[in-house]
Amino acid sequence: SAVISQKPSRDICQRGTSLTIQCQVDSQVTMMFWYRQQPGQSLTLIATANQGSEATYESGFVIDKFPISRPNLTFSTLTVSNMSPEDSSIYLCSVDRSGEQFFGPGTRLTVL
Amino acid sequence: GEDVEQSLFLSVREGDSSVINCTYTDSSSTYLYWYKQEPGAGLQLLTYIFSNMDMKQDQRLTVLLNKKDKHLSLRIADTQTGDSAIYFCAESKPAGNNRKLIWGLGTSLAVNP
Repeated sequence: SAVISQKPSRDICQRGTSLTIQCQVDSQVTMMFWYRQQPGQSLTLIATANQGSEATYESGFVIDKFPISRPNLTFSTLTVSNMSPEDSSIYLCSVDRSGEQFFGPGTRLTVL
Repeated sequence: GEDVEQSLFLSVREGDSSVINCTYTDSSSTYLYWYKQEPGAGLQLLTYIFSNMDMKQDQRLTVLLNKKDKHLSLRIADTQTGDSAIYFCAESKPAGNNRKLIWGLGTSLAVNP
């Protein structure tokens, strides 16, 4: 298994501000994934972050809104920029280890 | 298409078996997963099956894969109240040099005493 931690675990933010979510993994991984789970919904992949290259964004997600950093093989950040209430969601980071995909505990974001 | 479909709700009595079904559309899927999400908690990988397998058993959990029909099921034997949760089916498929998961909407399992 993989031990994944995220900070913050939850936050309440004002419209128009930005929040950076951190994800730390207990060992080196090549690929890290950022997901969003809106209330009552399934998971939606935002982007895939490989160390040393630009993140790959899924359709409907853009770098200006969700910039991602991947400075090393155990850490990544996702920023939710210029937030609106529609961004209220759980944001999860995930890693793939030999075909098994493990998830962090999630960051519960509420935008007022 | 990239659809993974599950029924939304399942209700069983404690001690009975639960069977949660999932269908997918992409035959290039390599792994198929079952995740459990309890209220207010994160996602827990329950089990997974590689696409060249038909069945996988792990204690109370049995996963059956019918590749011809693109049908995946999760059977929970002797279901307990602690099994009440949302169960997500997901398929892993190649995406360029990476792999991506396609998720179902989740099946909410209610276990009644």
